[in-house]
Amino acid sequence: NAGVTQTPKFRVLKTGQSMTLLCAQDMNHEYMYWYRQDPGMGLRLIHYSVGEGTTAKGEVPDGYNVSRLKKQNFLLGLESAAPSQTSVYFCASSRTTQQTDTQYFGPGTRLTVL
Amino acid sequence: AQSVAQPEDQVNVAEGNPLTVKCTYSVSGNPYLFWYVQYPNRGLQFLLKYITGDNLVKGSYGFEAEFNKSQTSFHLKKPSALVSDSALYFCAVRGVSSASKIIFGSGTRLSIRP
Repeated sequence: NAGVTQTPKFRVLKTGQSMTLLCAQDMNHEYMYWYRQDPGMGLRLIHYSVGEGTTAKGEVPDGYNVSRLKKQNFLLGLESAAPSQTSVYFCASSRTTQQTDTQYFGPGTRLTVL
Repeated sequence: AQSVAQPEDQVNVAEGNPLTVKCTYSVSGNPYLFWYVQYPNRGLQFLLKYITGDNLVKGSYGFEAEFNKSQTSFHLKKPSALVSDSALYFCAVRGVSSASKIIFGSGTRLSIRP
């Protein structure tokens, strides 16, 4: 049971380039989330998904798109990267979206945009 | 609007001494409160949560947290710190409404010196 995995672990992009971050979970969780972590700001929710084929915007969605074609995968896309998107990105999943449910996090992807 | 504050960026404690990491929150109605820990180059790991009932919640690795409704606080504590407790700690809050999303604090870096 690998839990939540993320690929790649590190990436350097030039401004304007595009990329996709992949998140996979093997816990059969319904809900998945993408966060970004910046120094002194904690985690901020980018997008989330309440099930296969559905996605919704979080706190900081601009410049990102997501897709959930399969229940176990949640993709985060950057169409035209900007230096402000330099951050560490975390994917998380939870069994339900009940307010008391625990989220399980992946190891993170460190992205640098030059 | 809900919010959570961790007033200390860093807490330094000698091994064997008690430790406290502070957290205060603001939310409409009753809160659900969480503590997560992040070790270097890893994703967040769940430590403990308060849902209802006993104000003292016990979690992983000997940590506990005390919910204080009048002070709107949920401080993380441990009676005797270990060097291995050194990490980044995040407090998070969520309201009881189904529309309420989890909000993370900015994090407190805990450093335990031998």
